[in-house]
Amino acid sequence: NAGVTQTPKFQVLKTGQSMTLQCAQDMNHNSMYWYRQDPGMGLRLIYYSASEGTTDKGEVPNGYNVSRLNKREFSLRLESAAPSQTSVYFCASCFARSYEQYFGPGTRLTVT
Amino acid sequence: SQQGEEDPQALSIQEGENATMNCSYKTSINNLQWYRQNSGRGLVHLILIRSNEREKHSGRLRVTLDTSKKSSSLLITASRAADTASYFCATDWEGKSTFGDGTTLTVKP
Repeated sequence: NAGVTQTPKFQVLKTGQSMTLQCAQDMNHNSMYWYRQDPGMGLRLIYYSASEGTTDKGEVPNGYNVSRLNKREFSLRLESAAPSQTSVYFCASCFARSYEQYFGPGTRLTVT
Repeated sequence: SQQGEEDPQALSIQEGENATMNCSYKTSINNLQWYRQNSGRGLVHLILIRSNEREKHSGRLRVTLDTSKKSSSLLITASRAADTASYFCATDWEGKSTFGDGTTLTVKP
């Protein structure tokens, strides 16, 4: 099992460009999450999907959109990137709410 | 705003010593989890303690939870150089996890 995979690993964008971060899990988990981690800080929840077909905002959703494409895949889209979105983005999944989460390796995004 | 706050922010010990990290939070929780992050990597789950539990063990890890004080502690016994990492607590409420800013642990050989 690959666990949680994320693509790309690194990305550099210019201000105003758009991109989609991809996340997939092969553990048959119901819930999936997108976090961002800024230097020296913990993770902040952007969006989550408690189950296939549902998505909800987290702590810092502005500037982002998500799609739960199917049970395996959960994508994060930046429509118009800003320098404040420079961060490391982590996707995570878990069997159900309040269970342990499994994290992907992260995507390092730089917006210039 | 962050719910969990870890203390201390940084901890440096010698191999073989015990390391204790604390986490305080502000509101209700369903459970509390501890994660480890090695530099530049994703988080790895260590242990989950439910709101009706007071103590839990896993190998060299011991976690306590005091809901009356809204605090938790993580004890790593007989530390090893490989334990060098950042440790985060995460509080769960209604399906959402909120992470603290972490404790950076350095274990010197």
